[in-house]
Amino acid sequence: GAVVSQHPSRVICKSGTSVKIECRSLDFQATTMFWYRQFPKQSLMLMATSNEGSKATYEQGVEKDKFLINHASLTLSTLTVTSAHPEDSSFYICSARARGGDRGNTEAFFGQGTRLTVV
Amino acid sequence: QKEVEQDPGPLSVPEGAIVSLNCTYSNSAFQYFMWYRQYSRKGPELLMYTYSSGNKEDGRFTAQVDKSSKYISLFIRDSQPSDSATYLCAMLKANNLFFGTGTRLTVIP
Repeated sequence: GAVVSQHPSRVICKSGTSVKIECRSLDFQATTMFWYRQFPKQSLMLMATSNEGSKATYEQGVEKDKFLINHASLTLSTLTVTSAHPEDSSFYICSARARGGDRGNTEAFFGQGTRLTVV
Repeated sequence: QKEVEQDPGPLSVPEGAIVSLNCTYSNSAFQYFMWYRQYSRKGPELLMYTYSSGNKEDGRFTAQVDKSSKYISLFIRDSQPSDSATYLCAMLKANNLFFGTGTRLTVIP
């Protein structure tokens, strides 16, 4: 399957600082990327959907000024957690939707996830 | 009511057993149905993908969809310890994926 690379895999930061997470589609173009958040033993919660070259669409309850999403190219999207607090500690996962093929644009590939710990 | 319901388990089975994982959904607008496997502290990986009612088989895995009952299943035959993971069902509607909570499966050697 297609490869989505997410970096870093783990990050520990101090409260009040900002953290940037990168998501790259390595061997395909992804016009749409998704950012999820997953708490322990819970499912993935969609935070926002980003389309290349346009503003991200945030889900209800997600602060767009706190979770900045940039989708500058067809292969790169970034999530910046600004002024992080301990309650932002979570597992963040990106997903990129592949274009074309028999399945059209329905197949989503996931990054490895980023474990963020805010101390 | 959540749009996608999945029993979180945990589910423990002996090696070689047949595993049945299930999800129900409430919205008939869901078009595509997926099963993902997620190992601890990793991102989900797509296992199976189907869009119509019926069965789809891939090796030891069989995905089953019953749109009339709004019920999907994943069967794992001859389960192996390496199958131990969390299995998430997911459904696509209007370019958005809706996930179940995931079922944690442990296959005991």
